[in-house]
Amino acid sequence: AQSVTQLDSQVPVFEEAPVELRCNYSSSVSVYLFWYVQYPNQGLQLLLKYLSGSTLVKGINGFEAEFNKSQTSFHLRKPSVHISDTAEYFCAVIGTGGFKTIFGAGTRLFVKA
Amino acid sequence: AAGVIQSPRHLIKEKRETATLKCYPIPRHDTVYWYQQGPGQDPQFLISFYEKMQSDKGSIPDRFSAQQFSDYHSELNMSSLELGDSALYFCASSSGQGIAYEQYFGPGTRLTVT
Repeated sequence: AQSVTQLDSQVPVFEEAPVELRCNYSSSVSVYLFWYVQYPNQGLQLLLKYLSGSTLVKGINGFEAEFNKSQTSFHLRKPSVHISDTAEYFCAVIGTGGFKTIFGAGTRLFVKA
Repeated sequence: AAGVIQSPRHLIKEKRETATLKCYPIPRHDTVYWYQQGPGQDPQFLISFYEKMQSDKGSIPDRFSAQQFSDYHSELNMSSLELGDSALYFCASSSGQGIAYEQYFGPGTRLTVT
């Protein structure tokens, strides 16, 4: 079984500042890792994913994440945020051979002017 | 590009009524997943289908059932609705069970039980 822990429920940050949203996972098998963004009253949109290969993954909207197997982490980063990045961000995993996505509780990113 | 279509987008039902939610996957996607997202909560996996067969099951109540049809669309049937069933129900689809593992999510159906 897999589980995902997002360490911060809310992250307030000023516009143009860097941000890191933390995600740790646990699993007895190899996993695939994902970050999704959910804007108010909208569905989930895939930001980026790690399947294999380079541990630094670049996604849409200037976001990137680094897979750290030893620390079982997959933290999301952006060097300079915009007001439009205000949204809920979900870290998720799928165990190899599995079908279902296990989501973390979400981190609400609030970008202030 | 075509996306996952869910209907209806909004649904209001009373306690003990039934509801049917529909999901139309992206063309040529053969796998469908259902998730439930309660207010302020993370999405919870309910059930998935691959090639019209149930492939995985999560925390789906016995009052709910689902199936995938020959055209790959899926329906989630919910009976004896309870207030706690009020949530956003997402459908996602993917192309097979292979390396993609990328699930494309629909906009969701917001179910309100009164």
